[in-house]
Amino acid sequence: NAGVTQTPKFQVLKTGQSMTLQCAQDMNHNSMYWYRQDPGMGLRLIYYSASEGTTDKGEVPNGYNVSRLNKREFSLRLESAAPSQTSVYFCASSEEILLFSEAFFGQGTRLTVV
Amino acid sequence: AQTVTQSQPEMSVQEAETVTLSCTYDTSESDYYLFWYKQPPSRQMILVIRQEAYKQQNATENRFSVNFQKAAKSFSLKISDSQLGDAAMYFCAYSLNYGGSQGNLIFGKGTKLSVKP
Repeated sequence: NAGVTQTPKFQVLKTGQSMTLQCAQDMNHNSMYWYRQDPGMGLRLIYYSASEGTTDKGEVPNGYNVSRLNKREFSLRLESAAPSQTSVYFCASSEEILLFSEAFFGQGTRLTVV
Repeated sequence: AQTVTQSQPEMSVQEAETVTLSCTYDTSESDYYLFWYKQPPSRQMILVIRQEAYKQQNATENRFSVNFQKAAKSFSLKISDSQLGDAAMYFCAYSLNYGGSQGNLIFGKGTKLSVKP
């Protein structure tokens, strides 16, 4: 099982450029999440999708948009990248129907905006 | 708003010894989960242990155990018989326990654990 797969693993953007981070999970999970991790900080939630067809803002949504394309895929888009968006981005997924379900994380995308 | 605080930016332990990482949190909720995640240099986030707030018994996973003090809002991680592979960043995290929120995690800033041979 691949688990949660993120692409790309590394990316350098110029200020003002746009890009989409891709995330796919093969565990048939209902819920998916995007986090960012900055130096000296824990992960902070950007957006999440509790189930297919729904998305909600997390703690730091400004400058981002998301799309839950289907049950497997959840993408994060930066429309006009800014240096403040330089970070490591993590996608995660979990089951969350009734009982507790562990959140599984991808390996992260290191994004640098110059 | 819920917050998670890890007061130890860095810790060091001798191989085979025991180390305790501290975590406090603030919440007005009564039903929630607490977690410890490990992040090695590979960046992969690995769940080490979890604790349901309604359970009084402290969680244990092999060499890892927690001391959960609900009234004090404290959740420390004890690593026994430390191994070189335990060296990593450790994050304490919190989530509410209701539908669609268990992966909605609030993280502390982390503790970098070094293990000396």
